[in-house]
Amino acid sequence: GQQLNQSPQSMFIQEGEDVSMNCTSSSIFNTWLWYKQDPGEGPVLLIALYKAGELTSNGRLTAQFGITRKDSFLNISASIPSDVGIYFCAGQSYGQNFVFGPGTRLSVLP
Amino acid sequence: EAGVAQSPRYKIIEKRQSVAFWCNPISGHATLYWYQQILGQGPKLLIQFQNNGVVDDSQLPKDRFSAERLKGVDSTLKIQPAKLEDSAVYLCASSPIKGRTDTQYFGPGTRLTVL
Repeated sequence: GQQLNQSPQSMFIQEGEDVSMNCTSSSIFNTWLWYKQDPGEGPVLLIALYKAGELTSNGRLTAQFGITRKDSFLNISASIPSDVGIYFCAGQSYGQNFVFGPGTRLSVLP
Repeated sequence: EAGVAQSPRYKIIEKRQSVAFWCNPISGHATLYWYQQILGQGPKLLIQFQNNGVVDDSQLPKDRFSAERLKGVDSTLKIQPAKLEDSAVYLCASSPIKGRTDTQYFGPGTRLTVL
């Protein structure tokens, strides 16, 4: 079945630093989503991408739909303590349900 | 607007016991999903309902898992009998738009521990 890989698995950064993470697949997807999950909560949608090459921002977050349609990237600028959490990508092919990646765990040091 | 409600939030059972989880989606949302999230992994879809009909249950272990949404509103997910590997967080999500799975709103989940 379809599988997604996310890197890095975890990262520790200083408050104020920028963060980059990515999601890759062996399959082509038509939609990419990025979620954030806080401890004890369900995932919350951050950004949705629908077109290859698309670059979309949501505040300090920017995500891109890779040209090959097999990858996506998420950047967080000027990180703050509340950015701590697990970031999941999810990809969807036409007519299929979303497949989630294993997540990138972000820790922000003050 | 109230979010997706789930109960209980935590459950500890012994293997071979039965357990049931309840989900109340956001009012008016026709589509409801149950996901299993094992520690350190992303959510995996178990079953998708459109109103009270099943749209996709291809990844539901039907020998022990069952789910229903009798009146097209709230839903229950049951495991009978439970195995150690069923320890996970069970997430419920709902969506207002038929066919638009990118608009899912997740509940807080039920954390199941099987001893």
